[in-house]
Amino acid sequence: DIQLTQSPSSLSASVGDRVTITCRASQGVTSYLAWYQQKPGKAPKLLIYKTSTLQSGVPSRFSGSGSGTDFTLTISSLQPEDFATYYCQLLDTYPLGFTFGPGTKVDLK
Amino acid sequence: EVQLVESGGGLVRPGESLRLSCAASGFTFRTFAMTWVRQAPGKGLDWVSTTNDDGYTTYYADSVKGRFIISRDNSKNTLYLELNTLRAEDTAIYYCARGDDYYGSPKDAFDIWGQGTMVTVSS
Repeated sequence: DIQLTQSPSSLSASVGDRVTITCRASQGVTSYLAWYQQKPGKAPKLLIYKTSTLQSGVPSRFSGSGSGTDFTLTISSLQPEDFATYYCQLLDTYPLGFTFGPGTKVDLK
Repeated sequence: EVQLVESGGGLVRPGESLRLSCAASGFTFRTFAMTWVRQAPGKGLDWVSTTNDDGYTTYYADSVKGRFIISRDNSKNTLYLELNTLRAEDTAIYYCARGDDYYGSPKDAFDIWGQGTMVTVSS
C-alpha cells in the first residue's frame, strides 16, 4: 500500500503570503493526486484533482503540481478564508483504495 | 442543489451494529461511484469503503473489511453503510462522498461531501 506524508504538518502564515504544502508518496504513483481543504466542524472541500486541475468554483490562487513521488499545493496569496487544514489524497490501484495524507494545518501567524 | 445528507449515527456499545444512510439529491445518483470516509475526533481523514455505480463492485479498507458492508439503492438515491462488530476505534464522523461519474472523465477524487454523521462506540 502507498503511504502519503505531508510537510509541514503545520505552518503559521500571514495574509498575502505564498504558501506551499508538499505531499510525498512512499513509492512512485501513476494515478492522480487530489487536494482538499477542511475547516473546523465542516466537511472537506475538493480543491484540486488530477494533480493540477482546479475544481469548479475554487479560486485561482490555488494550484497543484508534481509527479512521481512529490506533489505540491500552492496558495499564491493567502486569504483570511484559507486558514484551514489541507489534505492530499490519491487512488491506490492495487489493492484498490484511497489514501489520504495526514494533513497540514495552516494558521495565522 | 447537489446534496448529500447522512443519518443514522449515534452512541452504541462495543460489538453492536449500526446502519448509516446517505440521501443524495440534485444529481443522477445511479451513475456515480460513492464512498464513505471517516474522521476520528481531532484526527485526519480515513477512507472506509467505495461502491461503483451499480453497487456490484465494492472496496474496503483493511481496518473494516469483514465488519462493514457498503450498499446502495439507486431507486431511492441512497447509499448505506452497515457497521457491525463495532469497536471503540470506529468512533468517528462518517462522511459520504461522491466519486467518479461512470459516464464522465475520472477525477479519482470526491467532489461532493455530506455534512457527516457521528458514530460513538463506548461502553
